[in-house]
Amino acid sequence: DVKVTQSSRYLVKRTGEKVFLECVQDMDHENMFWYRQDPGLGLRLIYFSYDVKMKEKGDIPEGYSVSREKKERFSLILESASTNQTSMYLCASTDSRDRDTDTQYFGPGTRLTVL
Amino acid sequence: QKEVEQNSGPLSVPEGAIASLNCTYSDRGSQSFFWYRQYSGKSPELIMSIYSNGDKEDGRFTAQLNKASQYVSLLIRDSQPSDSATYLCAVNAYSSASKIIFGSGTRLSIRP
Repeated sequence: DVKVTQSSRYLVKRTGEKVFLECVQDMDHENMFWYRQDPGLGLRLIYFSYDVKMKEKGDIPEGYSVSREKKERFSLILESASTNQTSMYLCASTDSRDRDTDTQYFGPGTRLTVL
Repeated sequence: QKEVEQNSGPLSVPEGAIASLNCTYSDRGSQSFFWYRQYSGKSPELIMSIYSNGDKEDGRFTAQLNKASQYVSLLIRDSQPSDSATYLCAVNAYSSASKIIFGSGTRLSIRP
């Protein structure tokens, strides 16, 4: 079974703090994704990575950066947290080598509150 | 126009009936189509994927794809209370096959 884990289920931070969200997958997947999910807006892609040290902006990258130093780990960084970044953050991974396995496997999510 | 559109619901269906969930997409180059189920407070999980026009059945679930109309649907037969969840339609982006675009989801409620 694919396992995607995220470092925290709940996180409370203050405005202006630097925040790190970590995601690890154990299935040797090339692709990893960070989404945020807000009521009525669905899942919105922040960044994704298709290989180590490679990254592409998603639909809402402003205020975020990412790091992928190892294949299994994809980090989301909020350089200076703001209250409008309060959200549920979901990490996902896929194996792009076979179209039939491009299922997105999601981690449990991190609910971030910025005060 | 949103890239992937779904009716937000809630869609209320009696237990044992057929639930029909619909989705339209704007990118004519999309090739991969997915339905995810998300229970409240949980992460999305894949129910069905479909790549060719027509129907694909898996147990009580049937996905239908019509690329000419840019339309994807999910039918749930013999609906159970455990099917009450939000259903997310997702489509790959033609410009980047690894990128998946999600709709905002339809909330389904199965009433006993």
